[in-house]
Amino acid sequence: AQKITQTQPGMFVQEKEAVTLDCTYDTSDQSYGLFWYKQPSSGEMIFLIYQGSYDEQNATEGRYSLNFQKARKSANLVISASQLGDSAMYFCAMREGERNNNDMRFGAGTRLTVKP
Amino acid sequence: SQTIHQWPATLVQPVGSPLSLECTVEGTSNPNLYWYRQAAGRGLQLLFYSVGIGQISSEVPQNLSASRPQDRQFILSSKKLLLSDSGFYLCAKTAGRYTEAFFGQGTRLTVV
Repeated sequence: AQKITQTQPGMFVQEKEAVTLDCTYDTSDQSYGLFWYKQPSSGEMIFLIYQGSYDEQNATEGRYSLNFQKARKSANLVISASQLGDSAMYFCAMREGERNNNDMRFGAGTRLTVKP
Repeated sequence: SQTIHQWPATLVQPVGSPLSLECTVEGTSNPNLYWYRQAAGRGLQLLFYSVGIGQISSEVPQNLSASRPQDRQFILSSKKLLLSDSGFYLCAKTAGRYTEAFFGQGTRLTVV
């Protein structure tokens, strides 16, 4: 079964505007971690932000914030004041904390294009 | 240091040839190590992960195998490559249960 779902294959946003990238997840664990990564055309994976399942506040890192809605099992990434350099693939990922194997699962990704 | 060394960066191999991709990591001891494959324009598929020396878990049946001969070394191998093995291979590590994964620069494999 798919653990991480990203329903937006591609998104466009105007420079300087905010954009929300959707992510829903599926787990029966009470303890888990959610991650967002950026992958520019170079292929490197850049860690952006982390949200723990027990964190009461939404995570923020500079222009990135995570809209965590636990009951809905969603962890959407919000990028404020988009820049041209934000154009990239974005991946949502999850690690389930109650399993011993600690594997990290990724969604299919969303390709964000920032228009000047 | 969370550096991950992955080589080569690009590789072109004929169908039926063997494969060996090596990944070595720096930093904390006993990391969890992962091999992912990414088809062009697609997401990351988890192939193997390892929680310790000699401990390998496989996620999908395929003609690839992985080994972890040392704490900080993770090797992806194949005896006979298929066209469908083409893709971008990423090695990653995590140092703790809720820490982010650090990735190598990847190997772009083209099987011809």
